Amino acid sequence: DAGVTQSPTHLIKTRGQQVTLRCSPISGHKSVSWYQQVLGQGPQFIFQYYEKEERGRGNFPDRFSARQFPNYSSELNVNALLLGDSALYLCASSWDIMGEKLFFGSGTQLSVL
Amino acid sequence: DQQVKQNSPSLSVQEGRISILNCDYTNSMFDYFLWYKKYPAEGPTFLISISSIKDKNEDGRFTVFLNKSAKHLSLHIVPSQPGDSAVYFCAARSMDSSYKLIFGSGTRLLVRP
Repeated sequence: DAGVTQSPTHLIKTRGQQVTLRCSPISGHKSVSWYQQVLGQGPQFIFQYYEKEERGRGNFPDRFSARQFPNYSSELNVNALLLGDSALYLCASSWDIMGEKLFFGSGTQLSVL
Repeated sequence: DQQVKQNSPSLSVQEGRISILNCDYTNSMFDYFLWYKKYPAEGPTFLISISSIKDKNEDGRFTVFLNKSAKHLSLHIVPSQPGDSAVYFCAARSMDSSYKLIFGSGTRLLVRP
C-alpha cells in the first residue's frame, strides 16, 4: 500500500513568492495534518483537516492556508514567503481525527532565498 | 513555551546495551504520548504510544514508561542495534478539538557496533 505522498520533494523560492505544497494521504485516511520542522527542532503543528473541514490551526500567520479536497488530498499554501519559512514541511494522515497514530510523508524541503 | 521537552540532544550507546531516551512535559491536557523515529530524508515513523491512563507499554524491544506525577516519559530500547541509530521525537497529543501532536526537539541516538 502507498504511504503518504508529498510533492514536490524539494523547492527553492525567493522572498515574497508564493508556494503550494501537495499531499496525498494513505488510502482510506480522512484526516490530514500539516507540520513544519525547522532544522534542529521538532515538527510544529500548522493545520488539521478532517472531512474537508479545518479542525485545528497552529500558531502560524495568515500567510499560511490549506484546504482538503473531496478525495482527502490536501494543499498547503504559503504567501509572501520569508527567509524564516525555510523548513521541512510534513504532511501526516490518519484514519480519523481521533487516530493518535499519524503516518507522515517524507516531506517537502522548502528553501527561501 | 515548550510543553514537551527532550533535554538530551544526543545519546551514544554500545550495541546490545540499553538505550534510555527521556522526555518531560508541562501540561496535563494530553491523552496520548508517542515516540517517533526519524531517519535523514524521511518523515517521522511511529514507534510506540501510551495512553495517559497507563504507566507502561511494551512492543518487542521497545518499552515506554509514563510517570504522570513527574510528568515524565521514557523510551527504553533493549537490546540496542546499530539500525536504531536515528533521531527520536517524543510527542504528546492534545485533548483539544484538533488532537494535534506537540513534539519535543528530538534526541539523536547513535548505537555503536
